[in-house]
Amino acid sequence: DGGITQSPKYLFRKEGQNVTLSCEQNLNHDAMYWYRQDPGQGLRLIYYSQIVNDFQKGDIAEGYSVSREKKESFPLTVTSAQKNPTAFYLCASSWGPQGETQYFGPGTRLLVL
Amino acid sequence: SQQGEEDPQALSIQEGENATMNCSYKTSINNLQWYRQNSGRGLVHLILIRSNEREKHSGRLRVTLDTSKKSSSLLITASRAADTASYFCATDDKAQKLVFGQGTRLTINP
Repeated sequence: DGGITQSPKYLFRKEGQNVTLSCEQNLNHDAMYWYRQDPGQGLRLIYYSQIVNDFQKGDIAEGYSVSREKKESFPLTVTSAQKNPTAFYLCASSWGPQGETQYFGPGTRLLVL
Repeated sequence: SQQGEEDPQALSIQEGENATMNCSYKTSINNLQWYRQNSGRGLVHLILIRSNEREKHSGRLRVTLDTSKKSSSLLITASRAADTASYFCATDDKAQKLVFGQGTRLTINP
């Protein structure tokens, strides 16, 4: 099956800890994105990557980091510098520019212990 | 930054009725998209309408775009319980950045 997967489904973070969210796609898409969604809100862009080994900050990049070493993978690290990390994190991918149709993974819910 | 704003924030109707949601945005766009999100899940793309199009259909979905009023509407006809979800519009401005609104929560009552 073609698609985009995220793991884990739930993630718990202790104070001062860095955690990494996984995102993998087998759609052969060049572009990948990370969004944050707070309860009852829309999506806000954290980071995006239009090609391997390149990525750009979105609107709320502070406290987050990413890498894009492989076309299929775009992991997101929530660092200890992110003081309010509790949210639903969504990964997406698209063939081309951001403005075209994006395909989303099932999401990871991050909770702070 | 530009943002699509959905109206109403919440909508509750009876099964079989039609549901209409609206989206307004602030600056010129290349295209506008509608997505659906079931509770606790990822978003699913429904329709993309380009700035030179006025209306688009997909099954029970009808989307209109009025660039002069900077607005779009999503109509779901003959609603079903499975249509219960949040619906988001997303606009793509000249910088090709996709910006999502806060969504309309649609509840279909049996």
